[in-house]
Amino acid sequence: GAGVSQSPSNKVTEKGKDVELRCDPISGHTALYWYRQSLGQGLEFLIYFQGNSAPDKSGLPSDRFSAERTGGSVSTLTIQRTQQEDSAVYLCASSRNQQGSEEKLFFGSGTQLSVL
Amino acid sequence: GESVGLHLPTLSVQEGDNSIINCAYSNSASDYFIWYKQESGKGPQFIIDIRSNMDKRQGQRVTVLLNKTVKHLSLQIAATQPGDSAVYFCAETGDDKIIFGKGTRLHILP
Repeated sequence: GAGVSQSPSNKVTEKGKDVELRCDPISGHTALYWYRQSLGQGLEFLIYFQGNSAPDKSGLPSDRFSAERTGGSVSTLTIQRTQQEDSAVYLCASSRNQQGSEEKLFFGSGTQLSVL
Repeated sequence: GESVGLHLPTLSVQEGDNSIINCAYSNSASDYFIWYKQESGKGPQFIIDIRSNMDKRQGQRVTVLLNKTVKHLSLQIAATQPGDSAVYFCAETGDDKIIFGKGTRLHILP
């Protein structure tokens, strides 16, 4: 069956430009998560959606980062005025029920963002 | 705990040997734990889970052990194969939060 889909798979941009990263979760999954992974490092939590609302935005590193989710499905992570330190893999995951329940996360393959 | 700012530790294991990957979790209220495997260029994938009312659970070639007294979780992989080469993350769920461990890179020696 269809898994979590992320696009683009790779994005190269110039410093100062805005980028949008897209995540299509598994159909019917109410919870959606964004993580950032720098080269050779672990998972850094960014934001969690339950439906269309974001009860936990605590991981967004600055006000240049924002995310939205519409129709309880697709989510977009936007980074404004990109900086070189934003270069990383951005991973999206979804789960059937809310965070904290006994649910496994299903991850997409990520978007590799390179800021030149 | 949070996995930010540190390079991943590496475990090197001879092909055919057993691998043991350890994880110290942070929240004594966590009641559900998962191990994920992340291969190069892919997102993490579920391997095995365990609830806090258990101390051991077995899957196919993998076993997870939970010691709540010392807040320790381990993943044992039997007869390690080249395809097991990946980064392994533990995750704990409790208090409505999911926390990923720092990750361990498993390197298979021929």
